[in-house]
Amino acid sequence: EVQLVESGGGLVQPGGSLRLSCAASGYTVSAHSLSWVRQAPEKGLEWVSDISAGGSIYYANSVRGRFTISRDDSKNTVYLHMNPLRPEDTAVYYCARHPFFDFDYWGQGALVTVSS
Amino acid sequence: NFMLTQPHSVSESPGKTITISCTRSSGSIASNYVQWYQQRPGSSPTTVIYEDNQRPSGVPGRFSGSIDPSSNSASLTISGLKTEDEADYYCQSYTGGVWVFGSGTKLTVL
Repeated sequence: EVQLVESGGGLVQPGGSLRLSCAASGYTVSAHSLSWVRQAPEKGLEWVSDISAGGSIYYANSVRGRFTISRDDSKNTVYLHMNPLRPEDTAVYYCARHPFFDFDYWGQGALVTVSS
Repeated sequence: NFMLTQPHSVSESPGKTITISCTRSSGSIASNYVQWYQQRPGSSPTTVIYEDNQRPSGVPGRFSGSIDPSSNSASLTISGLKTEDEADYYCQSYTGGVWVFGSGTKLTVL
């Protein structure tokens, strides 16, 4: 069974950094593309970043230059390093797999709160 | 990049049929597949329609999707509404390394 488990969320001050992890099980993470999608409190879904099976990387304009996505195939895990963080980055961050056009498996989400 | 605009909310009675629209701001709706996700409070999203009109296994036949190039929009139709359908619904599409979600529609089943 495919599972995605996020970790690394928490409270951080503006300008600080945080690294989220998305540990995959039930499939090989390098076989399919995986995205980070966030949801601010009481708001809609916002795509953040993607790493393809081949290693191509994409970012939303709102995070480009501040966030970095990476993958460790030996740990079957995808990361999102976020620095510097802003209050508007406060959200639940989901990792979601997409073999083709839809996001077919999602993690449970990790809450990131950016506040002083 | 383009935007996908949805109505903020829709409400209807059990047993009825509703349609949620998703209008693309630029570029053709037919040029990239549209997906629809259901998100219940406190839960992660799940796919109800992929590739414009395909249902994943386990999604009831009451859910259907379509696109209309003349209005540059996609639609999610839910027939025979049940109270368990009450949730937020998001459309989603893609172009050139950018994945776009719609603004979301809150469905209330009265």
